[in-house]
Amino acid sequence: KQEVTQIPAALSVPEGENLVLNCSFTDSAIYNLQWFRQDPGKGLTSLLLIQSSQREQTSGRLNASLDKSSGRSTLYIAASQPGDSATYLCAVVSTDSWGKLQFGAGTQVVVTP
Amino acid sequence: KAGVTQTPRYLIKTRGQQVTLSCSPISGHRSVSWYQQTPGQGLQFLFEYFSETQRNKGNFPGRFSGRQFSNSRSEMNVSTLELGDSALYLCASSLTQTHRDTGELFFGEGSRLTVL
Repeated sequence: KQEVTQIPAALSVPEGENLVLNCSFTDSAIYNLQWFRQDPGKGLTSLLLIQSSQREQTSGRLNASLDKSSGRSTLYIAASQPGDSATYLCAVVSTDSWGKLQFGAGTQVVVTP
Repeated sequence: KAGVTQTPRYLIKTRGQQVTLSCSPISGHRSVSWYQQTPGQGLQFLFEYFSETQRNKGNFPGRFSGRQFSNSRSEMNVSTLELGDSALYLCASSLTQTHRDTGELFFGEGSRLTVL
C-alpha cells in the first residue's frame, strides 16, 4: 500500500531564503508525482508535475526533483516571498491505481517579511 | 479558459439528509475525480471517472456515490448524512487520454459541507 509522507509538517523562514520541501513515498512503482499549494479555505493549485521517467521539472522559481528508486521528491522554492506562504502538498499516482492521487499531509510554510 | 467549477460552494445539512454536489471540468477534460478533505484525515480519494466509467474508488461507505455524464460533468451524492461527513469536497479534472494514464490534475475551489 502506497504511503506518502511530508516532513516537516510546518516550516517558517525569513523572506529571501530558499525553501526546501520534502516528500517521500513507500512504493517506487509510480506513474507521476505532482506538487500543489493550498491557501486557507481554497482549492489546490497545481505547481509541477513530474513523470516517473523524469528527474526534475522547473517552473520559474520552483524546481522539483524526483528520485524514484529512493522514493523521494524535493520541491525547491528560490528566494521565498511572503506570498509563498501556504500549505504545500505532494501526491503520487501509482501504476496499479489509475486516476487516484495519494496525498501527503502537507507542509505548512510561513515566509516572514 | 474556465477552470473547474464546483457548486454549491457552501451548504449546511442536518443528519440523515442527503446532498448532491456538482462539478464541471475544464473543457476537453475527460477525467473527473473527487476528494474529501478534513483537518484530521487530510485529503482522501473518493472516486474517479474517465469517459463516464468509474475507474477507481476509495475506501468510503456506499453512502458516497458518484457519476459522470456524457459531457464530462460529474456529480457526487452522499446519502444519510453523518456529522463526520462535514468536510471540504474537492473535485479535480485532468486531460487524461487513455484508461492507463493519469494527467495533471486541476482542482476546483471545493464545496464546503457542514452537517448539523
